[in-house]
Amino acid sequence: AQSVTQLGSHVSVSEGALVLLRCNYSSSVPPYLFWYVQYPNQGLQLLLKYTSAATLVKGINGFEAEFKKSETSFHLTKPSAHMSDAAEYFCAVSVGGSYIPTFGRGTSLIVHP
Amino acid sequence: KAGVTQTPRYLIKTRGQQVTLSCSPISGHRSVSWYQQTPGQGLQFLFEYFSETQINKGNFPGRFSGRQFSNSRSEMNVSTLELGDSALYLCASSAVTSGDQETQYFGPGTRLLVL
Repeated sequence: AQSVTQLGSHVSVSEGALVLLRCNYSSSVPPYLFWYVQYPNQGLQLLLKYTSAATLVKGINGFEAEFKKSETSFHLTKPSAHMSDAAEYFCAVSVGGSYIPTFGRGTSLIVHP
Repeated sequence: KAGVTQTPRYLIKTRGQQVTLSCSPISGHRSVSWYQQTPGQGLQFLFEYFSETQINKGNFPGRFSGRQFSNSRSEMNVSTLELGDSALYLCASSAVTSGDQETQYFGPGTRLLVL
């Protein structure tokens, strides 16, 4: 069975600083990996996904994530945080070529002016 | 282009009742997937429909069911409601199956409260 661990339920950064949200997965077979964002009182939005093509995946709003098989990680980064990036971020894993995602518990990103 | 529409937006039911939630995908999208979000269990995948067929299913009891119509609109039904079914139910649509999609578009959700 697959699982996802998001390290840190809250991450706080200053505006303009690097954003790093950590995600480690557990899977016995090659995974599909996803990052979703949920803005306050809004629905989800898919940021990016990895499906065994390029290991560095670029998403919307300047976010990107790198698949590292040796570290079983798929951390989300953004070079410069904006106030509008404040939201809840969810990492998810799916295996076996089917879309049956298992979600992490989420990381709340707080951006200080 | 209109976004994903979910109705109703809010719903209050009592234990033992059943409920039907509706999701209208973006025009031309054939895949609809459903999710449950609760403070305790977090985000969980319910099921996905593509061209009127359920193609993926999460780990939920049989009380949770769904269907998709020929116009791609989807409904999910929860029978014999339990207090723990109180949640935000989200649906998403995509042009192809969710494992292959360029992106998914989510609706605002239906917030269900079970008393």
